Amino acid sequence: GQQVMQIPQYQHVQEGEDFTTYCNSSTTLSNIQWYKQRPGGHPVFLIQLVKSGEVKKQKRLTFQFGEAKKNSSLHITATQTTDVGTYFCAASGGYNKLIFGAGTRLAVHP
Amino acid sequence: GAVVSQHPSWVICKSGTSVKIECRSLDFQATTMFWYRQFPKQSLMLMATSNEGSKATYEQGVEKDKFLINHASLTLSTLTVTSAHPEDSSFYICSAGLLASDGELFFGEGSRLTVL
Repeated sequence: GQQVMQIPQYQHVQEGEDFTTYCNSSTTLSNIQWYKQRPGGHPVFLIQLVKSGEVKKQKRLTFQFGEAKKNSSLHITATQTTDVGTYFCAASGGYNKLIFGAGTRLAVHP
Repeated sequence: GAVVSQHPSWVICKSGTSVKIECRSLDFQATTMFWYRQFPKQSLMLMATSNEGSKATYEQGVEKDKFLINHASLTLSTLTVTSAHPEDSSFYICSAGLLASDGELFFGEGSRLTVL
């Protein structure tokens, strides 16, 4: 079945440093979504990427979808303590089902 | 936007008892809902697809007799963990089978089950 590999599992940064998490699939993805989950909370939708080579920005967050639609990345510039949480990529598993990556847990130290 | 509500948020039960978790779509009808399970510090794993008026479709490795899913109306799906054991302790999250125009899939707040 559909699988997405996500790395790293954990990232510890100092406030102000940048952060990137990567997702890879062995198969071509129709789209990819990114979610953020705060400790104790539920996943919150960040964005969906659909087009090959697509780049979208949300303030300090930059999302990219690879040209082959097999990989994606989320980059946070100048992290803040409010960025703490686990970031998941998720691929469509058919009809609104999502297959989640393992997630990258981000810790930001002031 | 569309809202999905889960109840209860927290539940603690004794081993051997059954626990029911509700997932409601508050302002829309959902013919399909999805149930996910998340162990501490792990990813969300799809357990089953809940289909209104018909049997749920379970993912490989998920025991259908253990995790009973009922989707009796267009706004309510329930997950019952039968004869719960400590290894069933987890965070259970539902999502509605509805996409917003930007692709967002709406999740419930999650239900944290602790089996003693």
